[in-house]
Amino acid sequence: TQLLEQSPQFLSIQEGENLTVYCNSSSVFSSLQWYRQEPGEGPVLLVTVVTGGEVKKLKRLTFQFGDARKDSSLHITAAQPGDTGLYLCAGMRGSNYKLTFGKGTLLTVNP
Amino acid sequence: KAGVTQTPRYLIKTRGQQVTLSCSPISGHRSVSWYQQTPGQGLQFLFEYFSETQRNKGNFPGRFSGRQFSNSRSEMNVSTLELGDSALYLCASSSERGGRGEQFFGPGTRLTVL
Repeated sequence: TQLLEQSPQFLSIQEGENLTVYCNSSSVFSSLQWYRQEPGEGPVLLVTVVTGGEVKKLKRLTFQFGDARKDSSLHITAAQPGDTGLYLCAGMRGSNYKLTFGKGTLLTVNP
Repeated sequence: KAGVTQTPRYLIKTRGQQVTLSCSPISGHRSVSWYQQTPGQGLQFLFEYFSETQRNKGNFPGRFSGRQFSNSRSEMNVSTLELGDSALYLCASSSERGGRGEQFFGPGTRLTVL
């Protein structure tokens, strides 16, 4: 059983469209992070959320942490081809510095 | 600051051989974690080292081992390679400031086992 479930697994959209990807769990996390990974590279940290209900914005990306700290969402406004990549969520439980990753959402933005 | 570096970037081995991968963390980062990434399983945690001690361990067989040196550089070793060990092996370092677990990843080592 995957501790963190991400949906959808695959998403292919046209430039300019909006989209939301989800990261869900039955467990509570002390912090949750979102990463983006491009082919042949390691994941790059986008944001960390730690407080239930927290919303963070990074240009056209909006991240939300659920009130119960069990789920998160990533919303992209007016997607661009440069947003193409694998979006991964990762959670840390307690303070054991061990991250658990979801399997990711592979996003393709077509020009 | 220079990022996390991993060597080699690509490696081809045959079944039964062993392999050692190397990771240099960001300067000042004392925590180094290793992950295995495959299309089917995604990113799976192997182990984490802090100040030369293994602090956390994932659910991998004993063929997978690692160590960390006094300068925080880390190596992982896989013995008696199996076909299923073919994967992207990622190293990540963390400064642990604030205890939020933020990881900074290297580009990975792509291991192919034939």
